Amino acid sequence: DAGVIQSPRHEVTEMGQEVTLRCKPISGHNSLFWYRQTMMRGLELLIYFNNNVPIDDSGMPEDRFSAKMPNASFSTLKIQPSEPRDSAVYFCASSFMTVQETQYFGPGTRLLVL
Amino acid sequence: GENVEQHPSTLSVQEGDSAVIKCTYSDSASNYFPWYKQELGKRPQLIIDIRSNVGEKKDQRIAVTLNKTAKHFSLHITETQPEDSAVYFCAGAGGTSYGKLTFGQGTILTVHP
Repeated sequence: DAGVIQSPRHEVTEMGQEVTLRCKPISGHNSLFWYRQTMMRGLELLIYFNNNVPIDDSGMPEDRFSAKMPNASFSTLKIQPSEPRDSAVYFCASSFMTVQETQYFGPGTRLLVL
Repeated sequence: GENVEQHPSTLSVQEGDSAVIKCTYSDSASNYFPWYKQELGKRPQLIIDIRSNVGEKKDQRIAVTLNKTAKHFSLHITETQPEDSAVYFCAGAGGTSYGKLTFGQGTILTVHP
């Protein structure tokens, strides 16, 4: 099992540019979560999907952030336009059935917005 | 929604000593409490979890206890080793925050050889 796959692993961009982060969950998992981790705010849940449907996006910081899950094996998190305060590590995680099962995290995408 | 508080923020112990990290939660309906370990530059990884129908769970040198009445749970690591050095996160889920894992702020554990 390849585990949760994220790309890119590192991203450096300039303020105002569009950033797209990608995630492939573990095969067979039907819940997918996007987290953001910073020193100041810790690990925050941004949005999660169950069976490809967004269930709770209350953690999405603002309209510049959007997430999609067009099928069971792929999700994207988009930031447009990006700002320096978006610099963080973005993790994708997946689980089977519900959040009360083990969540497996991907390696993360380290984003730096200059 | 759920709120999880974690203490201490940093913990330093000598190799072989025990380490205890404590968390409190606000939603009495929460029923799932995992603990994650995150090494520097790596992803969080589950090390142990407990559900509200049990009060304690052990896995080798790691144990977790849960007090539903007081709404707190703790991670106990015995016979600590330098490789236990990492950031540890507690989390809570269920109840009114069903579908969300709410994480504590993390504890930086350092085990000195």
